[in-house]
Amino acid sequence: NAGVTQTPKFRVLKTGQSMTLLCAQDMNHEYMYWYRQDPGMGLRLIHYSVGEGTTAKGEVPDGYNVSRLKKQNFLLGLESAAPSQTSVYFCASSYTTRLSYEQYFGPGTRLTVT
Amino acid sequence: LAKTTQPISMDSYEGQEVNITCSHNNIATNDYITWYQQFPSQGPRFIIQGYKTKVTNEVASLFIPADRKSSTLSLPRVSLSDTAVYYCLVGDPGGTSYGKLTFGQGTILTVHP
Repeated sequence: NAGVTQTPKFRVLKTGQSMTLLCAQDMNHEYMYWYRQDPGMGLRLIHYSVGEGTTAKGEVPDGYNVSRLKKQNFLLGLESAAPSQTSVYFCASSYTTRLSYEQYFGPGTRLTVT
Repeated sequence: LAKTTQPISMDSYEGQEVNITCSHNNIATNDYITWYQQFPSQGPRFIIQGYKTKVTNEVASLFIPADRKSSTLSLPRVSLSDTAVYYCLVGDPGGTSYGKLTFGQGTILTVHP
């Protein structure tokens, strides 16, 4: 099993450009999450999904949109990138949240907006 | 998620046991205590989770006193590869929480030769 994979690994955008980050998991997990991590800080939740076709806002959702058309994929979109969105983006998934905070994280996407 | 307090950094040497304590005075009845590890340029990795007393797995032990207002992550005989940031999280993963994680700044553990 590949676990959680993220595409691309690195990306540089100019202000105003758009892009989509892809997260894929092969563990048949119901729950998927997108986090961002700024230098020297912990992760903050952007959006999450509790199942195929569902999405919900997390702590810092502004400027991002998400879609979960297939159970194994969770897409994060930036419609008009801003320098404040320069960060490392992590996707995670979990099978269940009942009595467990165990999530599986991808390797991350390092995004720079100039 | 309940607020947690943990040391910003710790230093240790190879072969020593490392104990990282996390304070969580406002822990609720249904809250669990969870620890994650993060290496540079990688995503966090789940280490261990517990509710009370002691939990042990192949990586670490988690000690939780009866009042549950603090917890201690114990790493036996650390090696250089244990150098990482360790996050303590407290909360109820079930219900409408949907397992959402909120990470603090964590504890930077540096293991020296």
